Amino acid sequence: EAEVAQSPRYKITEKSQAVAFWCDPISGHATLYWYRQILGQGPELLVQFQDESVVDDSQLPKDRFSAERLKGVDSTLKIQPAELGDSAMYLCASSIGGRHGYTFGSGTRLTVV
Amino acid sequence: GESVGLHLPTLSVQEGDNSIINCAYSNSASDYFIWYKQESGKGPQFIIDIRSNMDKRQGQRVTVLLNKTVKHLSLQIAATQPGDSAVYFCAEKPYTGGFKTIFGAGTRLFVKA
Repeated sequence: EAEVAQSPRYKITEKSQAVAFWCDPISGHATLYWYRQILGQGPELLVQFQDESVVDDSQLPKDRFSAERLKGVDSTLKIQPAELGDSAMYLCASSIGGRHGYTFGSGTRLTVV
Repeated sequence: GESVGLHLPTLSVQEGDNSIINCAYSNSASDYFIWYKQESGKGPQFIIDIRSNMDKRQGQRVTVLLNKTVKHLSLQIAATQPGDSAVYFCAEKPYTGGFKTIFGAGTRLFVKA
């Protein structure tokens, strides 16, 4: 069964440091999403890509977060500088688009100390 | 504002019994709804979806019911098994706003042996 790959699985970083997460969506899925999930809450959308273009980054804290999907395939989410409040699970998901459910990766658990 | 919420944060059921997880949504523009299951340390997994032109859809051991009149969604799990223990999220996609999926806070299901 096709999967969304994410790395690393876990990341511990000191505040003010830079951190990056990587996602490889299911082949052929044009739509890619980055979500942040705080413990005990539902996922919240950070950014949505359609191919290589950002279609929604309204909830992305752009002063410190950036995301790219240069070739419309894999994607990187970066935080610089990391803050204590950024500790969360960062989930990547992909979809063929439109009215279809997502396939999520296993996420990256970030702890900022 | 828009919200997708759940009536109960936790639900405990006996193995073999049926489970019902409820969800209320507030955006009348939503026309697509999805249930996800999230096990500890993993990303959400698609379970079943339903479009607003339907009021019931069945899958393997799961049934989703949609009541648009009162903006209510439910997930029924038949013959609940220990492997069903997880957090369940309902999610909605309004037909405006670029197909952004909005997740609720989740209900944790405990299955007692």
